[in-house]
Amino acid sequence: TQLLEQSPQFLSIQEGENLTVYCNSSSVFSSLQWYRQEPGEGPVLLVTVVTGGEVKKLKRLTFQFGDARKDSSLHITAAQPGDTGLYLCAGEWTSGTYKYIFGTGTRLKVLA
Amino acid sequence: NAGVMQNPRHLVRRRGQEARLRCSPMKGHSHVYWYRQLPEEGLKFMVYLQKENIIDESGMPKERFSAEFPKEGPSILRIQQVVRGDSAAYFCASSARGTGELFFGEGSRLTVL
Repeated sequence: TQLLEQSPQFLSIQEGENLTVYCNSSSVFSSLQWYRQEPGEGPVLLVTVVTGGEVKKLKRLTFQFGDARKDSSLHITAAQPGDTGLYLCAGEWTSGTYKYIFGTGTRLKVLA
Repeated sequence: NAGVMQNPRHLVRRRGQEARLRCSPMKGHSHVYWYRQLPEEGLKFMVYLQKENIIDESGMPKERFSAEFPKEGPSILRIQQVVRGDSAAYFCASSARGTGELFFGEGSRLTVL
């Protein structure tokens, strides 16, 4: 069974702080995605990373794919209350299948 | 430019009844995925379909659950003889052929009494 573990599970921080969320597996991904989900809604895709070592930035969010393509991190700089939500990573193990397995999720709360 | 449409948004069923959840993918998308999400948990893959074909159903329970994506009309996830443990949010996502970018609907929340 392919598992994606995210840490931490829950995170509550003050506005303006920085944070990092991790996504780990013992298996190699062909690609990995990060999503954010707000209560009562479906997940929204933030980024897709494909190449080992790849770094992508989306405003205050920085995504990194591990060199071995087994792990990924999401770093948020100067968090804002609008960043509150459930962050999910999703991995595709076999390229081209487009079957994504989701991680356990990190629930972030940013306090004003 | 409509996104992925799911209905009903909320569905209440008694034990033993049937639940039918519908998903209309984004225009031009031919790949549909169904995921289940329990409260405070991530998404669990259920099934991946293309028009008239089930590509991967490795996440579907062997009994009571079925899915289809006919040539015309929405994809349907059908749960027969529902039990309390089926209570969850069921999300549908679609993607265009040849891409891995999933667009999710707002989900259908099933409550089994």
